[in-house]
Amino acid sequence: DSGVTQTPKHLITATGQRVTLRCSPRSGDLSVYWYQQSLDQGLQFLIQYYNGEERAKGNILERFSAQQFPDLHSELNLSSLELGDSALYFCASSVASRAVDTQYFGPGTRLTVL
Amino acid sequence: AQTVTQSQPEMSVQEAETVTLSCTYDTSESNYYLFWYKQPPSRQMILVIRQEAYKQQNATENRFSVNFQKAAKSFSLKISDSQLGDTAMYFCACLTQGGSEKLVFGKGTKLTVNP
Repeated sequence: DSGVTQTPKHLITATGQRVTLRCSPRSGDLSVYWYQQSLDQGLQFLIQYYNGEERAKGNILERFSAQQFPDLHSELNLSSLELGDSALYFCASSVASRAVDTQYFGPGTRLTVL
Repeated sequence: AQTVTQSQPEMSVQEAETVTLSCTYDTSESNYYLFWYKQPPSRQMILVIRQEAYKQQNATENRFSVNFQKAAKSFSLKISDSQLGDTAMYFCACLTQGGSEKLVFGKGTKLTVNP
């Protein structure tokens, strides 16, 4: 158990809908990262937050957004869902922002868009 | 931009034997870390081992060790005394300092340990 929690574990929804994925980092970690794992794209970085502020953006679609709250949990919002958004979404956390540090992953949320 | 290449899509090994998974990377940064993550059928991403680029000594964690060849930009993982529980996808990843601290992953190697 990495100490990173994600809910829900599974999510099944229809095209055009909106969903919210939730992540709680390890105790003491200030950075949260979101990754998408799909069969065709592999594991890709979406976005990073540090202590409530957006720190970096990767290959995140405009239909996707995220935030980190004062208690450091984070939410990833996916809207106008398409079939191609079906994937495993991971949250990871680490202590630092600017320093290189190990990222610990949550169990993931499997999103299925029908 | 960083790239990570794992040239072996699938490998298999007999229980108790040793196997080596290959990884090459490319980055222009001087300060970076390299990682191996394991993803068993449960899909959880589990850290196996990490290597700081500034350290010459190869990292080891119990049965897992790496062969880090900085000049060749190579970072292979050796698993000794393979166990059935080692069956998983193994991902090599690179993390650099400066800008985004994002992990860049290879496409993975599917390892099967046979009894």
